[in-house]
Amino acid sequence: DAGVTQSPTHLIKTRGQQVTLRCSPKSGHDTVSWYQQALGQGPQFIFQYYEEEERQRGNFPDRFSGHQFPNYSSELNVNALLLGDSALYLCASSFGSSGFTDTQYFGPGTRLTVL
Amino acid sequence: KQEVTQIPAALSVPEGENLVLNCSFTDSAIYNLQWFRQDPGKGLTSLLLIQSSQREQTSGRLNASLDKSSGRSTLYIAASQPGDSATYLCAVEYGDSGGSNYKLTFGKGTLLTVNP
Repeated sequence: DAGVTQSPTHLIKTRGQQVTLRCSPKSGHDTVSWYQQALGQGPQFIFQYYEEEERQRGNFPDRFSGHQFPNYSSELNVNALLLGDSALYLCASSFGSSGFTDTQYFGPGTRLTVL
Repeated sequence: KQEVTQIPAALSVPEGENLVLNCSFTDSAIYNLQWFRQDPGKGLTSLLLIQSSQREQTSGRLNASLDKSSGRSTLYIAASQPGDSATYLCAVEYGDSGGSNYKLTFGKGTLLTVNP
């Protein structure tokens, strides 16, 4: 049973460019959350998708957008990249429910470097 | 503001020692609390999840406790091994009368080194 997968593993971009990161949830999961983890920090919540809708959003600018597909996979898009966007981007999946989040399973992450 | 704090930031112990990692959180209106392990440059592995109605959870050599009234959780690791070396993160899911806010708020983690 495949766990959460993310692609690509590493990515290097320059300021002002746009990037798309991809995530496939664990089998049987329908909820995907995205987190940004800067070096030496804990992960920061970006947003969560459930039933193809953005259910909750953290304190990130509109440059960060996402999408969930009917097969529950998800994309994170970041426009107009800044140096400060350099981080490990983590995707987490869980079985959706109303009222609370079940145990979240994390992928290995995508390391984004902005030059 | 809902914040999660972990102390200490780093801990080094000899193999075989029992140890405790601490997590404190503001706002007692939590839905659950999770402890994660993160190896360098890797994703997170969930170790234990404690629902707000529970006081503790155990898995093998790990025991996590939750005290909502004091805003504290501890992760106890028995008979530590070099393979336990990693960063341990505490994460809280907050909520209110309308339900959970669906997001995990993380501490910065405790870097644990177990020396052979």
